[in-house]
Amino acid sequence: AQKVTQAQTEISVVEKEDVTLDCVYETRDTTYYLFWYKQPPSGELVFLIRRNSFDEQNEISGRYSWNFQKSTSSFNFTITASQVVDSAVYFCALSERESTGNQFYFGTGTSLTVIP
Amino acid sequence: GAVVSQHPSWVICKSGTSVKIECRSLDFQATTMFWYRQFPKQSLMLMATSNEGSKATYEQGVEKDKFLINHASLTLSTLTVTSAHPEDSSFYICSAHGSGGLSDTQYFGPGTRLTVL
Repeated sequence: AQKVTQAQTEISVVEKEDVTLDCVYETRDTTYYLFWYKQPPSGELVFLIRRNSFDEQNEISGRYSWNFQKSTSSFNFTITASQVVDSAVYFCALSERESTGNQFYFGTGTSLTVIP
Repeated sequence: GAVVSQHPSWVICKSGTSVKIECRSLDFQATTMFWYRQFPKQSLMLMATSNEGSKATYEQGVEKDKFLINHASLTLSTLTVTSAHPEDSSFYICSAHGSGGLSDTQYFGPGTRLTVL
């Protein structure tokens, strides 16, 4: 079963529009971490945010904001006033505590294209 | 912040040759390192978990004799693709699990793009 689901495969928006990328996760652990990464065409993963399971406060960082809702097991990511430089693939990931280290489970990614 | 490097960043090789990829944690000790591969337009798939001083744990479907992993020190893990074939062409990414104050997350390397001709 997929532990992290990103239902949106591809999204296109016009520059300056807001866009929300959805992420739904599944875990039985009470302690876990959720992440969002950006992967531009160069391939290198760019860390955006980490959220632990005990902190449901929403976070805003510039044009980025995240909505963590344990009740719906969702960790959605919103980009406000999108820009062409936001075009990339975005991955949501879940980290559960394992005895050998925290194993990451990645979603399938959402490819965002911002059209000028 | 914690930094993980990979070398080489890209490599092209002939079919049948072996390629070694290095993953280094530059400013912290990594007791555990992970190796992922990513095919074009797909997600990252975990290949194996590497613990310093012990054998790697491979995910189902990953041939351990083909993808040799060595984690000889707390800052270095290597992935060797033996007898590479065109279907091994992929983007390989490593990550390092920190210890102590960095124990809550993984730090990803920039990736190595392997092309097998």
